[in-house]
Amino acid sequence: ETGVTQTPRHLVMGMTNKKSLKCEQHLGHNAMYWYKQSAKKPLELMFVYNFKEQTENNSVPSRFSPECPNSSHLFLHLHTLQPEDSALYLCASSQDWRTDGEKLFFGSGTQLSVL
Amino acid sequence: GQNIDQPTEMTATEGAIVQINCTYQTSGFNGLFWYQQHAGEAPTFLSYNVLDGLEEKGRFSSFLSRSKGYSYLLLKELQMKDSASYLCAEQTGANNLFFGTGTRLTVIP
Repeated sequence: ETGVTQTPRHLVMGMTNKKSLKCEQHLGHNAMYWYKQSAKKPLELMFVYNFKEQTENNSVPSRFSPECPNSSHLFLHLHTLQPEDSALYLCASSQDWRTDGEKLFFGSGTQLSVL
Repeated sequence: GQNIDQPTEMTATEGAIVQINCTYQTSGFNGLFWYQQHAGEAPTFLSYNVLDGLEEKGRFSSFLSRSKGYSYLLLKELQMKDSASYLCAEQTGANNLFFGTGTRLTVIP
C-alpha cells in the first residue's frame, strides 16, 4: 500500500467514449502527477500539479484533460482516444515538486485498452 | 530525454548476487533514482544517489559515478520475490525526472 489509490484498475473503451481515471492520495502531499507507461518504453510524464495548479504539460494531446480539484485528488478525463493510447496510466504524488531527491509515491495504475 | 540506458532483461539464481547497470547523460544531472515495480503493481522507491559512491540498504545497494554517467543497483542474497522490473531514473534541473525502460529481473530457483 503506497498511499496512492487509482480507479479503475482496468478500463476498456471505444474511440468515441468518454471516461475518467481517478487518483487519490492519503499522504498529505502537495504535488500530483500523471505518467504513461507503454510496453518497452520509458515512463512518460504527462502532467504535474503542485498545490492544485498545473505546472507541467508535456505536450500531451488535448484528448487527455487533467483536473485537480484539491491536493488529494487528481482526475484524467479521456475522450476520442486512439488505439495507440492503450497503456498503463500511473498516478504519483510527492511532498513537493521542485525539490532535489523528492521521491515519488505511485498508484498501481489503470490499464487502459482503446478499441 | 536523457538517454537512460539499462538492460532489458536479466536472469539470476536464488541466493546469488546481481548487478543492474544504468548509464545516463551527465548534463544537468541532479540525482539518480532506482524504483522497483512488480508486475501489475505500483513502482516503489528503492534508492536515491546524488554523490559518488555506494549507498547500502540491507540486501540492496546503489552505486553512482557522476563523472562516468553510470549507476548500478546491486541485489544480494536474491529471493524469488525480487523478480520485478527495476527502473533507473535521472533527475535533472527543475525537477525533471527521466526514466529508463526498466530491467526485468527473473529470479530462478
